[in-house]
Amino acid sequence: ETGVTQTPRHLVMGMTNKKSLKCEQHLGHNAMYWYKQSAKKPLELMFVYNFKEQTENNSVPSRFSPECPNSSHLFLHLHTLQPEDSALYLCASSQESLIKGGSYNEQFFGPGTRLTVL
Amino acid sequence: QKEVEQDPGPLSVPEGAIVSLNCTYSNSAFQYFMWYRQYSRKGPELLMYTYSSGNKEDGRFTAQVDKSSKYISLFIRDSQPSDSATYLCAMLNLISGNTGKLIFGQGTTLQVKP
Repeated sequence: ETGVTQTPRHLVMGMTNKKSLKCEQHLGHNAMYWYKQSAKKPLELMFVYNFKEQTENNSVPSRFSPECPNSSHLFLHLHTLQPEDSALYLCASSQESLIKGGSYNEQFFGPGTRLTVL
Repeated sequence: QKEVEQDPGPLSVPEGAIVSLNCTYSNSAFQYFMWYRQYSRKGPELLMYTYSSGNKEDGRFTAQVDKSSKYISLFIRDSQPSDSATYLCAMLNLISGNTGKLIFGQGTTLQVKP
């Protein structure tokens, strides 16, 4: 496996279910991210982890619970979601700082998990 | 006012056309300007980035930044059906770069017809 992988690719869940999204990066990066992508809206940054520590929580509701056990793995635990949470959830990874030595350290994205909440 | 504005399209052009994609922004502190391409059922991938004002060319793609107007563009020459995708602009300043916070436009969907 190369790059950033995400499982599952598709998920349908009821509002009372509990499920988890998984992300794994094989790039040796130290920062990992969760984004939400909804139709006709910009990518919304949800969480940032740097060296396994959460450094950004973009006012995300508590029904989304991230977990980063090590620099290669990132989870998003979901419970009691709402239909408006249906979206594409993207994971990304990068070096610990996006700018270093005047250059942009690219964020690499996974293919996403398409989540539908019924 | 959104920090980054991008017309969502869709934009439909014939094969071989020159395509112009644009974003405007409000934060004058942005210094790094990225263009990501996202194919259907895939994550975004970086096409190119520019630091500060000026042009950058890579094959059929040219990125332009006009900081005085707070306006960035991506030009695609000799467009191909394989260019059909959603194009996302994204921006960073030195502070947000250290926090890992890219600011994205909502993306423009492009269709190149054979």
